[in-house]
Amino acid sequence: EAEVAQSPRYKITEKSQAVAFWCDPISGHATLYWYRQILGQGPELLVQFQDESVVDDSQLPKDRFSAERLKGVDSTLKIQPAELGDSAMYLCASSFELGPRETQYFGPGTRLLVL
Amino acid sequence: QKEVEQDPGPLSVPEGAIVSLNCTYSNSAFQYFMWYRQYSRKGPELLMYTYSSGNKEDGRFTAQVDKSSKYISLFIRDSQPSDSATYLCAVRANTNAGKSTFGDGTTLTVKP
Repeated sequence: EAEVAQSPRYKITEKSQAVAFWCDPISGHATLYWYRQILGQGPELLVQFQDESVVDDSQLPKDRFSAERLKGVDSTLKIQPAELGDSAMYLCASSFELGPRETQYFGPGTRLLVL
Repeated sequence: QKEVEQDPGPLSVPEGAIVSLNCTYSNSAFQYFMWYRQYSRKGPELLMYTYSSGNKEDGRFTAQVDKSSKYISLFIRDSQPSDSATYLCAVRANTNAGKSTFGDGTTLTVKP
């Protein structure tokens, strides 16, 4: 069964350093999401792509976070500089098509710890 | 106030018990309702998807929506230790935007 791939699975970094996360969605899925999940909370949308275009990045802290999906397939989320409050699980999800009955498939996540 | 409020738990039940998990939402624009299951250190997986008020059953799982009171529930019958996980409710408006808003989750432990 096809799955969303994410790497690395775990990342420990010091504050002020740069970190990057990678996501490979299920083949053929045009929509890709990055979520942040703080421990004990639900996922919060950071950015949504439709193919290579950003659909929604209203919750992305653009002073330090950036996301790209250059060829409309895999995607990278970057944080520079990392802050202590960025410690969280970063989840990638993809879906085949937008619409009321859209199903989002989540990857295993990247757990980030900022020291 | 959060758009989706979920009973915080944690919840611990014996094997075979009936489990009730609940969420409320504030915006009547939300028309689509989902329940996800998230095992420790894994991403969420979709369990149930409902649109209309009423009940939807899938095996041991029943999702219930009451749009008039903005209340959604997930019932698990004959709970098993393998059901031990965090359950997240999520809602989505009737648009093509795709954005889902999640509750904070309820952690369930089913003891053998």
